[in-house]
Amino acid sequence: QVQLKESGPGLVQPSQTLSLTCTVSGFSLTSYSVHWVRQHSGKSLEWMGRMWSDGDTSYNSAFTSRLSISRDTSKSQVFLKMNSLQTEDTGTYYCARNADYWGQGVMVTVSS
Amino acid sequence: DIQMTQSPSSLPASLGDRVTITCRASQDIGNYLRWFQQKPGKSPRLMIYGATNLAAGVPSRFSGSRSGSDYSLTISSLESEDMADYYCLQSKESPLTFGSGTKLEIK
Repeated sequence: QVQLKESGPGLVQPSQTLSLTCTVSGFSLTSYSVHWVRQHSGKSLEWMGRMWSDGDTSYNSAFTSRLSISRDTSKSQVFLKMNSLQTEDTGTYYCARNADYWGQGVMVTVSS
Repeated sequence: DIQMTQSPSSLPASLGDRVTITCRASQDIGNYLRWFQQKPGKSPRLMIYGATNLAAGVPSRFSGSRSGSDYSLTISSLESEDMADYYCLQSKESPLTFGSGTKLEIK
């Protein structure tokens, strides 16, 4: 069945870079897009960007040039990298297949 | 960016009630509208796609509709397991944008 699982550090220091991995199973990254979505505690959801099935990427301009999404199809993994982290980047980060099947999310705290 | 204005933000209701949540799109999004349910500590679950189509495994008491730029999620007879947060999402164009959410709670 379709599964996605996010992994990464739970704590990141301000100004540092966040690196997250989304490992998928049950489908091919060359057939479906994978999205990254963030949720601040108790708040709504914020779309960050996506890796298209053809390898192209789209980003939310709200993240300007801080965000990068890449993939390794041989490992069925999609990566998120975001630099210059601030405390307001604290939240739960999700990856989702085509925005329909979602991973369990990974909580990230930005704090010194 | 397309703005999705969702209302109400909170909806107290009783078991068995018929409830409706609405999202209004600031631009034409056609039927590129999804509804998600999110329970505490869980990831969002797709309920409706294409504005009116029930996702797999979703109870038939849920339905989606569209009237112009207004999109609605209706639960015909509220059950206790339906108490959750609900969000709409437009996927017509990037950036994809969510509504601000509706907290459905027991009156």
